[in-house]
Amino acid sequence: QVQLVESGGGVVQPGGSLRLSCAASGFTFSSYGMHWVRQAPGKGLQWVAFIRYDGDEKYFADSVKGRFTVSRDNSKNTLFLQMNSLRPEDTSVYYCVKDRTLGATFGIGFDFWGQGTLVTVSS
Amino acid sequence: IQLTQSPSFLSASVGDRVTITCRASQGVSSYLAWYQQKPGKAPKLLIFAASTLHSGVPSRFSGSESGTEFTLTISSLQPEDFATYYCQQLNTYPITFGQGTRLEIK
Repeated sequence: QVQLVESGGGVVQPGGSLRLSCAASGFTFSSYGMHWVRQAPGKGLQWVAFIRYDGDEKYFADSVKGRFTVSRDNSKNTLFLQMNSLRPEDTSVYYCVKDRTLGATFGIGFDFWGQGTLVTVSS
Repeated sequence: IQLTQSPSFLSASVGDRVTITCRASQGVSSYLAWYQQKPGKAPKLLIFAASTLHSGVPSRFSGSESGTEFTLTISSLQPEDFATYYCQQLNTYPITFGQGTRLEIK
């Protein structure tokens, strides 16, 4: 069965950095686009970033552009989110999410989500 | 693309038929999905491509579209359906979500 397990969350000071990882299993990781979605405490869902199955196409939310980068290691079935220059408003649960559509940049839904990892940006 | 859900809050009873609306600020073709989220849990995909039921989702859930207006209908509410629902457009990056509709037991 599909499993997405995030790690790397924690407490970081404003201006600091953090790297999230997502270990994927149960599907052909190298064939699917992957996303990061976040949710601030008590708030709604916000899409953060996308990386194509081969890593050659990436998109970011305006609020994180220039500060966050996304990458993947298809040989290790792992997705990453490098977060720099963190701000208090980045405090959220971060979800690793699989796109439903095989090999596409524009999918039709997010069919599997990890359990999320909490990032807290506070001094 | 902005997505506006209505209502933001809905109180209903078991057995009721409920409809949630999602309006897009511009056309998204049929690249519209619906999710259900329960407290402390990750969202779950209910419907993709505006009206296609995701695998394993009960048939009491349905989706429809009319131009830039999309609806999620639950035909007969069950106790496990009380949750928050989000629409999402995947037509254009950045991908966006509606603000959510919280469905509570009356």
